Amino acid sequence: DVKVTQSSRYLVKRTGEKVFLECVQDMDHENMFWYRQDPGLGLRLIYFSYDVKMKEKGDIPEGYSVSREKKERFSLILESASTNQTSMYLCASSSNTEAFFGQGTRLTVV
Amino acid sequence: SQQGEEDPQALSIQEGENATMNCSYKTSINNLQWYRQNSGRGLVHLILIRSNEREKHSGRLRVTLDTSKKSSSLLITASRAADTASYFCAHVGFQKLVFGTGTRLLVSP
Repeated sequence: DVKVTQSSRYLVKRTGEKVFLECVQDMDHENMFWYRQDPGLGLRLIYFSYDVKMKEKGDIPEGYSVSREKKERFSLILESASTNQTSMYLCASSSNTEAFFGQGTRLTVV
Repeated sequence: SQQGEEDPQALSIQEGENATMNCSYKTSINNLQWYRQNSGRGLVHLILIRSNEREKHSGRLRVTLDTSKKSSSLLITASRAADTASYFCAHVGFQKLVFGTGTRLLVSP
């Protein structure tokens, strides 16, 4: 059973904290993605990676960074969390024909 | 942004009726995919249609693609309460996997 696993289902952090969201896939996919999902806005792409140590900005990269040191792991980093980063964060990995998603991390920044 | 758009934003129907959702996108594509999301969960892949295909079926799902109009539609026939979910189209543009804004479908018993 293929799997994308996100490290936390729910997370509460304080403004200014550094936050790490981890994502691991077991399908040997080269492509991995981080999205945030907010009501009425669909899924917006933050960053993606098509290979180890490679990263590309998506549509809303401001306030975020990523790390891809190993093929199976793609980490999203909020350098200094702010309340407007409260959201659902979704990680995905994909072949050319299908994406597989983690269960999502609902992050609240207070 | 390359984000596509879907309409309607929300759709409410009775069990047994058909549900049609439409998707528009902005770039050339190799394929277009449809996904389903149950409330508060990750997305699940439903069906893929390639750019050289015009229609594809999978069980109660029927997808059409019109590349000249950069649009696609998803039809769910004989809907069930369990079909209640959000539905998204997605395509790859410049290596990005880009999603539409989604349609929230509510099927009432």
